[in-house]
Amino acid sequence: AQSVTQLGSHVSVSEGALVLLRCNYSSSVPPYLFWYVQYPNQGLQLLLKYTSAATLVKGINGFEAEFKKSETSFHLTKPSAHMSDAAEYFCAVSAASGSARQLTFGSGTQLTVLP
Amino acid sequence: EAQVTQNPRYLITVTGKKLTVTCSQNMNHEYMSWYRQDPGLGLRQIYYSMNVEVTDKGDVPEGYKVSRKEKRNFPLILESPSPNQTSLYFCASSSRAGYGYTFGSGTRLTVV
Repeated sequence: AQSVTQLGSHVSVSEGALVLLRCNYSSSVPPYLFWYVQYPNQGLQLLLKYTSAATLVKGINGFEAEFKKSETSFHLTKPSAHMSDAAEYFCAVSAASGSARQLTFGSGTQLTVLP
Repeated sequence: EAQVTQNPRYLITVTGKKLTVTCSQNMNHEYMSWYRQDPGLGLRQIYYSMNVEVTDKGDVPEGYKVSRKEKRNFPLILESPSPNQTSLYFCASSSRAGYGYTFGSGTRLTVV
């Protein structure tokens, strides 16, 4: 079984400030972990993914995430927020063993960037 | 362009009238999946398919059917839609199990 918890359904930051979106997962097998972004009226776009290589993963648009097995976390960060980062962000987990169960998503975090 | 195409983008229907949402991918992906997105609940998996003629239930399969007769297509069928199936639906595909999906643009369904 696998699950994802995203802490904070809404996060607000000022433009230029650090973005930190929290994600904790549970998985009975080694996980693959993902962050997706959804802009209004659009589908989901993959930001970055962890697939058991480097624990610090860099993605698009300046985002990165660090896999911490001991904390079962995969928090998303960006050093300096931009207005265009305003969107909803989803963390997701799947089983690295390639089991039949596919992606499981968290409930999402809405990021607001204040001018 | 590599993409997942869903149709229609918007659909309003009445309770009990059968409908099909089509999904097609041009990336030769083996894995395809349907999700529904509801406020505060994130995305929940309805059905997924690991290959042609191989499908399985996700977290919320009740009231839905799927078929995978060709690798590229994975239609979602609502035989008797009800208002609680009003939602935003996404189709997605992947080349490997659990490797991360490419998503379609979504279908906003309203059942009245």
